Amino acid sequence: NAGVMQNPRHLVRRRGQEARLRCSPVKGHSHVYWYRQLPEEGLKFMVYLQKENIIDESGMPKERFSAEFPKEGPSILRIQQVVRGDSAAYFCASSPLQRGNYNEQFFGPGTRLTVL
Amino acid sequence: EDKVVQSPLSLVVHEGDTVTLNCSYEVTNFRSLLWYKQEKKAPTFLFMLTSSGIEKKSGRLSSILDKKELFSILNITATQTGDSAVYLCAVEAGTDKLIFGTGTRLQVFP
Repeated sequence: NAGVMQNPRHLVRRRGQEARLRCSPVKGHSHVYWYRQLPEEGLKFMVYLQKENIIDESGMPKERFSAEFPKEGPSILRIQQVVRGDSAAYFCASSPLQRGNYNEQFFGPGTRLTVL
Repeated sequence: EDKVVQSPLSLVVHEGDTVTLNCSYEVTNFRSLLWYKQEKKAPTFLFMLTSSGIEKKSGRLSSILDKKELFSILNITATQTGDSAVYLCAVEAGTDKLIFGTGTRLQVFP
């Protein structure tokens, strides 16, 4: 059983370029969450998606950041025109989440983005 | 604003010691509290707590939740060097997002 998979594991971009981070949830999980971890800080929620729907994007910066979880394929977190402050580890988590039940979120290994 | 506060920020102990990690929270629409262990990679799930006063145990680790006082503790007995990690406390609130504390960095020396 494969867990949450993220790629790439490390990504280096120059200021102004685009970064695309991919997340494949645990097989059978239809709920995906993205978190950002800055150096020496805790994880901060960014966005919660179900297949083809954004449920909660209250943690996403209003500009340059977008996320999708299409019917087929992985979830994508896209950062346009990256700046040095975007350097962080980006973690994806998935859960089966059935309404009324409690479900822990399973985390992927993260993508470490470095902006030069 | 929802927040989760962990203490201490860091802890250095010797093998065999017992440690207690604290997590307090203030959130609306509380659903559950979770503990994760992070060793330079993906946080790995330890416990999920939803009810007050019921201790959860897994080997040398145990945890309990107090929903009246809004805190949880994570205990590790007979610590080993392999327990060295950052321990994250998170609260599930509202639309199922997790609100994390900044973590407690535990270092266990032989």
